[in-house]
Amino acid sequence: GDSVTQMEGPVTLSEEAFLTINCTYTATGYPSLFWYVQYPGEGLQLLLKATKADDKGSNKGFEATYRKETTSFHLEKGSVQVSDSAVYFCALSDPPNTGNQFYFGTGTSLTVIP
Amino acid sequence: NAGVTQTPKFRILKIGQSMTLQCTQDMNHNYMYWYRQDPGMGLKLIYYSVGAGITDKGEVPNGYNVSRSTTEDFPLRLELAAPSQTSVYFCASRDSHSNQPQHFGDGTRLSIL
Repeated sequence: GDSVTQMEGPVTLSEEAFLTINCTYTATGYPSLFWYVQYPGEGLQLLLKATKADDKGSNKGFEATYRKETTSFHLEKGSVQVSDSAVYFCALSDPPNTGNQFYFGTGTSLTVIP
Repeated sequence: NAGVTQTPKFRILKIGQSMTLQCTQDMNHNYMYWYRQDPGMGLKLIYYSVGAGITDKGEVPNGYNVSRSTTEDFPLRLELAAPSQTSVYFCASRDSHSNQPQHFGDGTRLSIL
């Protein structure tokens, strides 16, 4: 069945460091892929998405490329800020196989220190 | 832009009490979802709905009930609250097109003592 495997955390980085959070997926079909961000005490917010192979989603300096050959959707940012401290969730939607549900990864906590 | 609105934001219940968590969305989305998030953990799907009058169980439905009488509202009912139901509850909605994201509310933080 479909699933999402996400890099274990927590991750601690210094301000202006490069960020990579790994996400790999297993899917029977051709899923859409998403990254969500959850700031402390808040709900999940969509950060970016990609709906087909080789698509690159980007937002607020974050990027992720849908790699079908490696079944990956890694999140990257060139220079993190303290305000990026949050929990990041990778998710997929594959309606022919997952129905109307989304499959979420377990989340990766990021702390950026000044 | 209200989006998905959840009430209350916080609640403390005693064991055995009942309550309803409210969720409403103003985006005319057909699909709605209830998740719980335990401390330091990911999301677990409780129930979901693909339209008024239609609901389906998710991964962890025991101890909960839902109804969907309108497109906008998707309340979650806890009967006989137990300490294991202490969690943060999130409601989400999305458009029925296959590649659309889910939109989340800010959550209800529920403690059962």
